[in-house]
Amino acid sequence: DSGVTQTPKHLITATGQRVTLRCSPRSGDLSVYWYQQSLDQGLQFLIQYYNGEERAKGNILERFSAQQFPDLHSELNLSSLELGDSALYFCASSVAPSRVPYGYTFGSGTRLTVV
Amino acid sequence: GEDVEQSLFLSVREGDSSVINCTYTDSSSTYLYWYKQEPGAGLQLLTYIFSNMDMKQDQRLTVLLNKKDKHLSLRIADTQTGDSAIYFCAENPGSSNTGKLIFGQGTTLQVKP
Repeated sequence: DSGVTQTPKHLITATGQRVTLRCSPRSGDLSVYWYQQSLDQGLQFLIQYYNGEERAKGNILERFSAQQFPDLHSELNLSSLELGDSALYFCASSVAPSRVPYGYTFGSGTRLTVV
Repeated sequence: GEDVEQSLFLSVREGDSSVINCTYTDSSSTYLYWYKQEPGAGLQLLTYIFSNMDMKQDQRLTVLLNKKDKHLSLRIADTQTGDSAIYFCAENPGSSNTGKLIFGQGTTLQVKP
């Protein structure tokens, strides 16, 4: 157990629907990151939050949004889902907002299948 | 730009050494990392190297950094079947002032008994 908890582990939904993925960071970590892993795109950085504030944005679609709550857990909302959104979504956490010498701790991911 | 490249596949025999190579583009990257992903699991940090180092050794793992050529390698000595996994190289771009990591496509290491 890495200490980063992601729920649910698996999600199957239909095109056009909306889903919410949840992440609880490792105890003491203030920064949360979301990544998408797909076969064709590899691991793509989506967004980073630090202590409730958005810190960095990557290749995140406008249909996707995220937030970090006061208790530091984070949610990634995916709407108007398309078949191409099927992927593994990883959450990671770190103590610092930048210059992360020890890297991140990753959760085990949520596998999203859009049918 | 920010780009990290790796070869996609490597096959070795058990007991041999494995060398996984990576090139990156951001010369201001302060830290470079190697992550391991086993089937159905998240990414596990194997090791990292600070950009002012040339080499780092950690048990069976040796990381070599050639900053001039922006080339990073991971050597696994005495490779075991349990080392079969996907290995990702990643950089933390120095210009971004965030924790964002840029990952390579991953190298699938197959270890044959």
